[in-house]
Amino acid sequence: QKEVEQNSGPLSVPEGAIASLNCTYSDRGSQSFFWYRQYSGKSPELIMFIYSNGDKEDGRFTAQLNKASQYVSLLIRDSQPSDSATYLCAVRGIYNQGGKLIFGQGTELSVKP
Amino acid sequence: DGGITQSPKYLFRKEGQNVTLSCEQNLNHDAMYWYRQDPGQGLRLIYYSQIVNDFQKGDIAEGYSVSREKKESFPLTVTSAQKNPTAFYLCATRGGPGNEQFFGPGTRLTVL
Repeated sequence: QKEVEQNSGPLSVPEGAIASLNCTYSDRGSQSFFWYRQYSGKSPELIMFIYSNGDKEDGRFTAQLNKASQYVSLLIRDSQPSDSATYLCAVRGIYNQGGKLIFGQGTELSVKP
Repeated sequence: DGGITQSPKYLFRKEGQNVTLSCEQNLNHDAMYWYRQDPGQGLRLIYYSQIVNDFQKGDIAEGYSVSREKKESFPLTVTSAQKNPTAFYLCATRGGPGNEQFFGPGTRLTVL
């Protein structure tokens, strides 16, 4: 079992819809969770991070964390074609020395006009 | 202009050559990281450094070497011992309220 798993996609949604991106992790002691967006040929850019169970909202983005189920998700409301990218989930475990992050393989999102 | 710079953007290497990738930051972050990304895959950690003059191996350190002589700089050398060096190399620093990692623009290395 991979430490951090994401569906590779592609996930296709129409413009204006809600895109839901999911991530599961294996280390029950994980404490910090990050979502990055990566456009083709570019480096990842941080969207948001979450530490506590529940929802965290930032503009059109909402991160949801359920530690009991070892599940973190990212919702993108009112999806735009410019949101088309690969979304990387990253997890920092309690024993991850040096602040290391474990990354999932990413989910490709395509927003159709 | 604050941030992380990596150079060169593209690099071509002949088999058997060592090459050095540059990473410089002016964010005043202590921790720096090198990742490798292959097509369709997530990021894999090569080396990291939490402080000047100290660094640790990541998950795929074989065939790579680093140095950390200055806080601002963390160069990565890809040696001839690295069997499959063609990849996208990303440098990152750690800081901010969430101890999040920030990435440089990357170097795309191709072995001819």
